Amino acid sequence: EVQLLESGGGLVQPGGSLRLSCAASGFTFNTYAMTWVRQAPGKGLEWVSAISGNAANTYFADSVKGRFTISRDNSKSTLFLQMSSLRADDTAIYYCARATSGTKSPADYWGQGTLVTVSS
Amino acid sequence: DIQMTQSPSSVSASVGDRVTITCRASQGISSWLAWYQQKPGKAPKLLIHAASSLQSGAPSRFSGSGSGTDFTLTISSLQPEDFATYYCQQLNSFPLTFGGGTKVEIK
Repeated sequence: EVQLLESGGGLVQPGGSLRLSCAASGFTFNTYAMTWVRQAPGKGLEWVSAISGNAANTYFADSVKGRFTISRDNSKSTLFLQMSSLRADDTAIYYCARATSGTKSPADYWGQGTLVTVSS
Repeated sequence: DIQMTQSPSSVSASVGDRVTITCRASQGISSWLAWYQQKPGKAPKLLIHAASSLQSGAPSRFSGSGSGTDFTLTISSLQPEDFATYYCQQLNSFPLTFGGGTKVEIK
């Protein structure tokens, strides 16, 4: 059974940093691209970032480019999102999701999400 | 960036109704489109990929059509468990943008 479990969310001050993790199980992690999608309270879905299975290629939304970094540890089947220079509009539930194949493919399995709140 | 516009933003319907949701891309995306369903407090669920391919496990009352810039998601006979918000997502080019969502509510 495919499982994705996010962690690392919480309350952070504007300008601060946070690192999200997503522990994956139930599939061969290094053969799938992975993605992060966020959802601000009461709002729609926003694609944030994607990374290829071998970590060679990464992609970001314009709203987070230069502030967020995506990475993965295939030996530990774990996906990361390093977030810095956080702003109030980064407040959202952050979901990690498995892409069906390459980085430009839909997400077929999702975690339960982790809430990031940016506030003083 | 490719902008995705969904309409309507909300629709009220009854059990058994046929419901159609539209998604328009700001430029051609061939068939690189997916549809998701999201219920309150839950993660999204993939329903349709490649514009018209039903995801494994998704009910057959869901269908997708379209190519280029105009796409539709149709629920042939609305069931109680279908009341949710639906999102389209383009997968043609980065950033992989979502539509604003369509909330299907009980009439």
